[in-house]
Amino acid sequence: SQQGEEDPQALSIQEGENATMNCSYKTSINNLQWYRQNSGRGLVHLILIRSNEREKHSGRLRVTLDTSKKSSSLLITASRAADTASYFCATAASFTGGFKTIFGAGTRLFVKA
Amino acid sequence: SQTIHQWPATLVQPVGSPLSLECTVEGTSNPNLYWYRQAAGRGLQLLFYSVGIGQISSEVPQNLSASRPQDRQFILSSKKLLLSDSGFYLCAWIPLGRVKNTEAFFGQGTRLTVV
Repeated sequence: SQQGEEDPQALSIQEGENATMNCSYKTSINNLQWYRQNSGRGLVHLILIRSNEREKHSGRLRVTLDTSKKSSSLLITASRAADTASYFCATAASFTGGFKTIFGAGTRLFVKA
Repeated sequence: SQTIHQWPATLVQPVGSPLSLECTVEGTSNPNLYWYRQAAGRGLQLLFYSVGIGQISSEVPQNLSASRPQDRQFILSSKKLLLSDSGFYLCAWIPLGRVKNTEAFFGQGTRLTVV
């Protein structure tokens, strides 16, 4: 089963509004990552937050991490139509010999111009 | 700089036909390599991962197999495709030794339709 679970599954907002997406996970993590996927394309990494960090910013993106609740949130401020995409959280799970990145089901964001 | 190539971009194959999807990485050595499948409108399911040549781990039982004949080459195969194998297949890599704290880099994906 997937490690991360995002909510909401879909989000529709007006341009200029803020978009908040949440992610929950089940096991201990070393870091949590957020990715973006435009329709029919590969994923692009947005931001990584380590388990000892609580908040991180990158441009219009703000990520929080609460390891006690095993949850994270991604905030996109002042959204633009170009932000329309699917957003996934991912965690690194260990296996013998290395780590594997496990993704949640994603949130589909639609920003109306 | 490092790049990842995945091909073909789209593929339509009849049920029962074989499959071979190829992924190559340039500009790095000993990457950790991954194959994911994404159903329409869904998240990514990890299929296979590899930490080195000839070392393949399977995440879920299925009709597919993977091989790593060279350090920077990862191949996804099937002897006989099923309708349920349709989906969007993504190859990804993470630099060796940095898996704990770095992002995965993805190819552009292959959209497979089995008819």
